[in-house]
Amino acid sequence: GENVGLHLPTLSVQEGDNSIINCAYSNSASDYFIWYKQESGKGPQFIIDIRSNMDKRQGQRVTVLLNKTVKHLSLQIAATQPGDSAVYFCADYNNAGNMLTFGGGTRLMVKP
Amino acid sequence: EAGVAQSPRYKIIEKRQSVAFWCNPISGHATLYWYQQILGQGPKLLIQFQNNGVVDDSQLPKDRFSAERLKGVDSTLKIQPAKLEDSAVYLCASSPSGSRSLAKNIQYFGAGTRLSVL
Repeated sequence: GENVGLHLPTLSVQEGDNSIINCAYSNSASDYFIWYKQESGKGPQFIIDIRSNMDKRQGQRVTVLLNKTVKHLSLQIAATQPGDSAVYFCADYNNAGNMLTFGGGTRLMVKP
Repeated sequence: EAGVAQSPRYKIIEKRQSVAFWCNPISGHATLYWYQQILGQGPKLLIQFQNNGVVDDSQLPKDRFSAERLKGVDSTLKIQPAKLEDSAVYLCASSPSGSRSLAKNIQYFGAGTRLSVL
C-alpha cells in the first residue's frame, strides 16, 4: 500500500447510502486479502477476507470484490450507518506467506 | 472470549529514554505480532513470534528495539533509547496460527499503546 502521510483519502457518504472503498495492491503473488476497520483509539478489527481463487465474497452488509487482473480490491458496505465511520485498511499476505502488509487506509465519514 | 490486552494505553517520554510495552494475546493463540502505526498510515509489522520463537523480525530496528516472548504467551516490546520518530501507536495482535490456513491467518488486534517522544 502507499504511504499517504497525515492526509488519508476520505469518503463521505449519507447515512443509508452504499459505500465503496477501493484498494490497489502491488504484489501479484499475493493470494489472500483482508479488510480491517479501525475506529479512533482502537486497534484494527477484522471485517472480511477473500482468497485469490475467488472474485467476490459476501458478509453481513459487506461485500469484497477482487480483480486480480488490475490488482484491485474493493469493500462495499450496504446501507451505511454512523457506526461504520472509521478508517478502513486493506491488507494482503506477501509471497513469503506470513507477513501481512497494510495499505494506507481510507477514512469513511457517515453523515446523518 | 477476552481480546488482546495491551498496557499502558499511553506513554510520554523524552528522547533517549527507554520504554517498554506489554501484550497478552488471546488465550491459545500461538502467533503474536507487534506493529508500529504512525499517524495516518497503516500498521507496519515489527516482529512476529510463533510460540516463543521469532518468525520474522526483518523490519525491527534492532539497534534500539527488542522484543521477547519468553514463555510463549505474553510479550514485551522495548525501545532503548527512544527517538522522536518512534512516536506512534504500537499494536499487538495475535492469531491462532501463523499458517496459511484461512481462518488461522486472521489477526486480532489490541487497542495499542500510544507513544509520544518529546
